[in-house]
Amino acid sequence: QVQLVESGGGVVRPGRSLRLSCVASGFTFSCCGFYWVRQAPGKGLEWVALIYYDGGKKYYADSVKGRFTISRDDSKNTLYLEMNSLRAEDTAVYYCARDVGDYASGTSHFDHWGRGTLVTVSS
Amino acid sequence: QSVLTQPPSLSGAPGQRVTISCTGSSFNIGAGFGVHWYQHLPGTAPKLLIYATTSRPSGVPDRFSGSKSGTSASLAISGLQADDEADYFCQSHDSSLSGVIFGGGTKLTVL
Repeated sequence: QVQLVESGGGVVRPGRSLRLSCVASGFTFSCCGFYWVRQAPGKGLEWVALIYYDGGKKYYADSVKGRFTISRDDSKNTLYLEMNSLRAEDTAVYYCARDVGDYASGTSHFDHWGRGTLVTVSS
Repeated sequence: QSVLTQPPSLSGAPGQRVTISCTGSSFNIGAGFGVHWYQHLPGTAPKLLIYATTSRPSGVPDRFSGSKSGTSASLAISGLQADDEADYFCQSHDSSLSGVIFGGGTKLTVL
């Protein structure tokens, strides 16, 4: 069965870096685009970054542009999120999600998600 | 402040029908972009319930249905069951923001 498992979360000081991973199994990883989506405590969901199925296009939310980098390694069935210059407002549960729509046509939606990994940015 | 507005909480008795609303604007739902609904229990992976406004993935019971009118969409749950108690959130696309948007989520309590 399809599984997405995130890891790499933890407590980090403001200004520091962290790398999240999402290991996929149960399907052909290269089929699909993926998103990172986060949920801050008591808040709604917010998309963070997206990467196309071939890694050819990447998009970022304004709130993380220039600080976060999404990437994928199809040989390891793994999605990454490199987070630099972390701020208190980046504190959230981070989910990876498989996109079975198409960003360009505005039909992105997610048929599988991971359970999330908690990132806490605090001094 | 989420771009899509949902009621924060809702409740219903077993067997009842409840409807969760998701209100957007002419840049998202009103522009014709599809609405997708998810069920989320804390600590677990969100589950896709409805995609493209009215379609159900295989395995999702037909007690769950979606609809849309103007700039709003709705998720209806009929024959409410105890294990329907969860958070539900809607998702669409916004042309002015050029990206995916989410509702703030609705916590459904089964009395």
